[in-house]
Amino acid sequence: DGGITQSPKYLFRKEGQNVTLSCEQNLNHDAMYWYRQDPGQGLRLIYYSQIVNDFQKGDIAEGYSVSREKKESFPLTVTSAQKNPTAFYLCASSNRDRSRGTYNEQFFGPGTRLTVL
Amino acid sequence: DQQVKQNSPSLSVQEGRISILNCDYTNSMFDYFLWYKKYPAEGPTFLISISSIKDKNEDGRFTVFLNKSAKHLSLHIVPSQPGDSAVYFCAASARWNAGNMLTFGGGTRLMVKP
Repeated sequence: DGGITQSPKYLFRKEGQNVTLSCEQNLNHDAMYWYRQDPGQGLRLIYYSQIVNDFQKGDIAEGYSVSREKKESFPLTVTSAQKNPTAFYLCASSNRDRSRGTYNEQFFGPGTRLTVL
Repeated sequence: DQQVKQNSPSLSVQEGRISILNCDYTNSMFDYFLWYKKYPAEGPTFLISISSIKDKNEDGRFTVFLNKSAKHLSLHIVPSQPGDSAVYFCAASARWNAGNMLTFGGGTRLMVKP
């Protein structure tokens, strides 16, 4: 089955620790994204990547880092510099419609809930 | 500065009736609009989209209407079913811009009562 997997489902960390959230897709999508959702709010973009070894900051990149060494993988590291890291983190991917030069809809993984103790 | 707004945080509808969820945007560069459905502790599921060259798109019980002059779109669900109860997010992008970044509204919680 093609899809996006995120692990772990729930993650707890102590203040001052870095933590890495996994995101893998086997859809052969070009672009991948990380979002954060806080209670009662919409999704906010943290980072995105259109191709391997390239990524761009989103609206709330401070305190986060990413890498894109493989097309199917886009891990997100939440560093100790992130002031309020407790949130629900969502990874997404989308494919490029090369005939139109545009991207199609984004598909989301199941999410990781990070709680800082 | 919220570029995509969903002004109704919640909506309650009787089963079998129509649900209408609304969304407003401010950025005139947006040319692609999407609706997602989300259950608690799960990722959003894509429902339906519309390009700015159209004013209506239908898929089964779901229809999205776009009014570009008013910078407004709406999602109609007919007939509403209890399984439709979820949070609905509208999202917008400027597809020709790099990366297809989506800007999301704050969501509307739909409750369909049996």
